[in-house]
Amino acid sequence: GENVEQHPSTLSVQEGDSAVIKCTYSDSASNYFPWYKQELGKRPQLIIDIRSNVGEKKDQRIAVTLNKTAKHFSLHITETQPEDSAVYFCAASNGGNNRLAFGKGNQVVVIP
Amino acid sequence: EADIYQTPRYLVIGTGKKITLECSQTMGHDKMYWYQQDPGMELHLIHYSYGVNSTEKGDLSSESTVSRIRTEHFPLTLESARPSHTSQYLCASSVAGMEGYEQYFGPGTRLTVT
Repeated sequence: GENVEQHPSTLSVQEGDSAVIKCTYSDSASNYFPWYKQELGKRPQLIIDIRSNVGEKKDQRIAVTLNKTAKHFSLHITETQPEDSAVYFCAASNGGNNRLAFGKGNQVVVIP
Repeated sequence: EADIYQTPRYLVIGTGKKITLECSQTMGHDKMYWYQQDPGMELHLIHYSYGVNSTEKGDLSSESTVSRIRTEHFPLTLESARPSHTSQYLCASSVAGMEGYEQYFGPGTRLTVT
């Protein structure tokens, strides 16, 4: 099955700086890559996703890039704000069964 | 408003009790999932369903069971709760299709077994 690894496990950034989280996946058939944000005590919520026919997608201060050859994808958060502090999960799916293989999560702390 | 609901939100129960965690969605989704998560930690898939009368075990072995008699309802049952079952349980749903789609999560049930 699919195996998704997420690095680093914890990331501290100064407010206003950029944060980058990288994930690697093992199944070359995977074609859907979402990112979820989970604030303390809240449910995970999708913040951005990308499909394998696209190399980059951007939504305001967040962007995701995908390198299918290297089998990795990254989340980029620019101009970080305190409300960006959360656990971020990457995931991968090969579509047909829509099962998501999640990474272990990354704790992002934005220091004011 | 279309959403996914879980009850109870918090449950403290003694060892050996039978419990059912409820999950309902009004989003019209065919696929539903149960995850087990310690707070802020990894999400472990324990059960999933593609539709009515379809249930499958997930990646993490679990002593719980599920049923899917109605499209909108996907309850999870523990026949005999143990302290090792203490965790947060998240229900999710998604549309069906040949491509991957967003999974929408419920607010979770935080279970404590004493």
